[in-house]
Amino acid sequence: EVQLVESGGRLVQPGRSLRLSCSSSGFTFTDFAMTWLRQAPGKGLEWVGYIRSNSYGGTAEYAASVQGRFSLSRDDSRSVAYLQLNSLKTEDTAVYYCARGRSSLFYWGQGTLVTVSS
Amino acid sequence: EIVLTQSPGTLSLSPGERATLSCRASQSVISSYLAWYQQKPGQAPRLLIFGASSRATGIPDRFSGRGSGTDFTLTISRLEPEDFVLYYCHQYGSFPNTFGQGTKLE
Repeated sequence: EVQLVESGGRLVQPGRSLRLSCSSSGFTFTDFAMTWLRQAPGKGLEWVGYIRSNSYGGTAEYAASVQGRFSLSRDDSRSVAYLQLNSLKTEDTAVYYCARGRSSLFYWGQGTLVTVSS
Repeated sequence: EIVLTQSPGTLSLSPGERATLSCRASQSVISSYLAWYQQKPGQAPRLLIFGASSRATGIPDRFSGRGSGTDFTLTISRLEPEDFVLYYCHQYGSFPNTFGQGTKLE
């Protein structure tokens, strides 16, 4: 059974940093890109970015709203994808989801809440 | 960036009726790389349709998608009580991937 579990979300002050993790099981992690998305309270879905599998260079693409502040990485030995959030703003407050793949997204985690507030 | 505009914002219907949700793109969606998701309160989205018209695994056949280019439609042929939630379209043919703002079915 495919499982994705996000963790690391918490209350953080503006300007600070945070790292989210997406622990994966039930599939061959090395074979898949991983996508991150977010949803601000009461708002719609926003694509944050995705990281390719290492077979495709392990490079990442980002939304303009997070380019230069957020970065994606992966540890294939541990089947974990990471989202590093730097220079956080209040508008980054959201539930952050990871999902398997880079196209249509069948498998999602349950999300982790990041609250940016002073 | 491709902007997806969903209409209507809210659709008021009754169980047993037919629902038609629209998603219009500001530019042509490459290879019909368009998906539809359903989201219930407090849950992650669930993939319904990919490639504009293919049902995802486990999705009832009352859900169908069609369209190409810039105009896409999700149809729910006979509404069940559990269908009265939020729906989003998503284009994944171009970077950045984008989502519509959602249609609430009530």
